[in-house]
Amino acid sequence: QTVVTQEPSLTVSPGGTVTLTCASSTGAVTSGYYPNWFQQKPGQAPRALIYSTSNKHSWTPARFSGSLLGGKAALTLSGVQPEDEAEYYCLLYYGGAYVFGTGTKVTVL
Amino acid sequence: QVQLVESGGGLVKPGGSLRLSCAASGFTFSDYYMSWIRQAPGKGLEWVSYISSSGSTIYYADSVKGRFTISRDNAKNSLYLQMNSLRAEDTAVYYCARTEITMIVVALDYWGQGTLVTVSS
Repeated sequence: QTVVTQEPSLTVSPGGTVTLTCASSTGAVTSGYYPNWFQQKPGQAPRALIYSTSNKHSWTPARFSGSLLGGKAALTLSGVQPEDEAEYYCLLYYGGAYVFGTGTKVTVL
Repeated sequence: QVQLVESGGGLVKPGGSLRLSCAASGFTFSDYYMSWIRQAPGKGLEWVSYISSSGSTIYYADSVKGRFTISRDNAKNSLYLQMNSLRAEDTAVYYCARTEITMIVVALDYWGQGTLVTVSS
């Protein structure tokens, strides 16, 4: 069974920068896994942020960026705002199935 | 604007069945793949199934294979999830999401607000 692992929690100061990562139990994450990133706030549906590694949706704030880093997918938040406090999930595509990551709780403190 | 509205959730006994619907508007439904994703209370997201724009390609997560059936009616702009042999562990909020899968892009861009399914005796 494929497992996609994220940091359970990260804390960042307002205006700071934080990088979340997404690792696959099958090996290095490449662009062929088309990493997606989602933000979810309590009581709300997930909101798409990044698709296919680094592409932003029309509504994605410029401070969010996606990349590949050391064999993992990565989401970087630069100039963090208080409203960025949320749970973040990555999603990898395994050519016929998707697997969500375990989620990262980002606290802005 | 794109809208996805799920319905059909509720309380069902273990072993029972339920059919979820997702009504789509604001885009050409027949041009897009669609997915179901669920989230158990207090837990993370779990992909359930997706269906191609024509309905000819379908995939399921191992946890629901053989029990759940995804389908769509492009004339009605609607997506469905027939859930049979329900178990307590199927208790979750079920979301539908517009999905794009090409050689270049894989994206789940728009999501509905979800419908709660509770499996309990």
